[in-house]
Amino acid sequence: VLTQSPGTLSLSPGERATLSCRASQTVSSTHLTWYQQKPGLAPSLLIYGASNRATGIPDRFSGSGSGIDFTLTISRLEPEDFAVYYCQYYTSVPVTFGGGTKVEIK
Amino acid sequence: QVQLLQSGGDLVRPGGSLRLSCAASGFTFTDYYINWIRQAPGKGLEWLSFISPSGDHPPYADSVKGRFTISRDNAKNSVFLHMNSLRVEDTAVYYCARWAEAWHAFDVWGQGTMVTVSS
Repeated sequence: VLTQSPGTLSLSPGERATLSCRASQTVSSTHLTWYQQKPGLAPSLLIYGASNRATGIPDRFSGSGSGIDFTLTISRLEPEDFAVYYCQYYTSVPVTFGGGTKVEIK
Repeated sequence: QVQLLQSGGDLVRPGGSLRLSCAASGFTFTDYYINWIRQAPGKGLEWLSFISPSGDHPPYADSVKGRFTISRDNAKNSVFLHMNSLRVEDTAVYYCARWAEAWHAFDVWGQGTMVTVSS
């Protein structure tokens, strides 16, 4: 089980966002992934292997963590970053998603 | 352009059936596992199933096991989700997604298709 917190993060553009994803047991960093989902759109790959930015992802996004605690950080929020973020883990079925964190404009 | 194009969503009565399609283009289809993932209105993501390039022994989430069947037609670069005995709680946007083993992640997603189960 992956537990994301907080459920909602209310911030202003330019602020720093810190999103947490906690696993119920130790997981391999290689298999921890973050996705961004904007309203009405499919999720898109953001971070893979806990800390590697996907192609085209700006460097204000960073991922870190190991063991059971993982973090997605957005250093300075841009207007287009307000969205829902999901962590995901897979080594064997079922594939597991966290419940998501919504980053909203304060 | 690498893409997955979905079709087939509809309004269906409880107990009914539906087939969703996911057509791939822009990449070597037989190199990839393809997954189905759904999202109920206002909720998070739920993985349903995946299919290997050969199509052997696909696994399913418990919530759809015995009711949904995944299949693929490699000649048509397409994956399908056959849904039977539909329930109100199956109402969701359904996504197909490509699994990239190199990144251990879903790297390409379809646009989603809405399935509404209601009487």
